[in-house]
Amino acid sequence: QKEVEQNSGPLSVPEGAIASLNCTYSDRGSQSFFWYRQYSGKSPELIMFIYSNGDKEDGRFTAQLNKASQYVSLLIRDSQPSDSATYLCAATNTGNQFYFGTGTSLTVIP
Amino acid sequence: GAVVSQHPSWVICKSGTSVKIECRSLDFQATTMFWYRQFPKQSLMLMATSNEGSKATYEQGVEKDKFLINHASLTLSTLTVTSAHPEDSSFYICSALVVGPGELFFGEGSRLTVL
Repeated sequence: QKEVEQNSGPLSVPEGAIASLNCTYSDRGSQSFFWYRQYSGKSPELIMFIYSNGDKEDGRFTAQLNKASQYVSLLIRDSQPSDSATYLCAATNTGNQFYFGTGTSLTVIP
Repeated sequence: GAVVSQHPSWVICKSGTSVKIECRSLDFQATTMFWYRQFPKQSLMLMATSNEGSKATYEQGVEKDKFLINHASLTLSTLTVTSAHPEDSSFYICSALVVGPGELFFGEGSRLTVL
């Protein structure tokens, strides 16, 4: 069983819509969760992290964590074509081991 | 966010030669760095965990004698691909852990092409 699972997509949304990216994890001891964006041919860049149950908002991005369901999501409001990328979810328990999902490919259609 | 720099960003070498890739944390000290490899349209694959002052921990299936990792200081880890072959051509990415917040930041990546 993979530690972190994501739907590989591709996910397509029209410009201006809300994109919803989902991630589940298997280790109940996971403490912190991260969302990274990776453009083709580039390395991942950190969008935001979350470690408390509930929502965390940063600009157009909202991360949601539900530890009981072992579920993390990322919402992108007012999606732009520049948001088209692969989004990686990661979880860590000790802070020394990070488990990445395989990523979800998002395409925002103008 | 914290800055992690990788060098070189692109390298082409002949088969049989060795290539060194550097990963530096520019504005923080990183006791732990990670090395990944990523083939086109595939997900990140963790190769090894590098801890300052100690031997790296390699993932299963990664040859430690082929991929030499040195983490001699709190701001620098190096990956040396020894006797490189065309199948080693890939995108190599390092990341560094910021202790405290526990955030992980990635370098820009190094694209290796072995002819």
